[in-house]
Amino acid sequence: QVQLVQSGAEVKKPGASVKVSCKASGYTFTSYYMHWVRQAPGQGLEWMGIINPSGGSTSYAQKFQGRVTMTRDTSTSTVYMELSSLRSEDTAVYYCARGGILLFRVWGQGTLVTVSS
Amino acid sequence: QSVLTQPPSASGTPGQRVTISCSGSSSNIGSNYVYWYQQLPGTAPKLLIYRNNQRPSGVPDRFSGSKSGTSASLAISGLRSEDEADYYCAAWDDSLSVSFGGGTKLTVL
Repeated sequence: QVQLVQSGAEVKKPGASVKVSCKASGYTFTSYYMHWVRQAPGQGLEWMGIINPSGGSTSYAQKFQGRVTMTRDTSTSTVYMELSSLRSEDTAVYYCARGGILLFRVWGQGTLVTVSS
Repeated sequence: QSVLTQPPSASGTPGQRVTISCSGSSSNIGSNYVYWYQQLPGTAPKLLIYRNNQRPSGVPDRFSGSKSGTSASLAISGLRSEDEADYYCAAWDDSLSVSFGGGTKLTVL
């Protein structure tokens, strides 16, 4: 079945970087764009950006420009989201979600990133 | 502050019909499809409606979506206790980003 499996929870200090992975299975990896969405505790959903697994092109939300980098490894069907210069406000659950006509039909299980000194 | 505007809360009794609104602008809802998601506590969101009014397989026909101009609505008929959740609307923006609503917490009384 179609599945997105993310890496485990992370605890980081302010100023550090975090890299979250999302491994896809059950479909052709390069056929669907992948998005990253985050959700701070008790808050709503926030779109961070998108990557085309086929060519690697990316587009980021203006809020995260300069701090976020999305990459992919086609050999392992995995996309990565790296966020740098972390601050407490970046504490959130980070999700990868598959694009396509049925936008965000498939989600990863989420990765909790906690930023604390 | 979310780009799309939703009421923070909504409520209804079992069997009732409730609607949740989502207001945007010409650059998002006005020119792109609207999507709706249901999120139960501690879980990832679930796609309920795509392309304004289409239901993915497995979503009951109690859920329906509509769009008019720069606004959209999600309707839930025959309300059930298990419908108690957070609901989010989303739409592509012409700037090639995705905008979400702030979410609506639905309470089944």
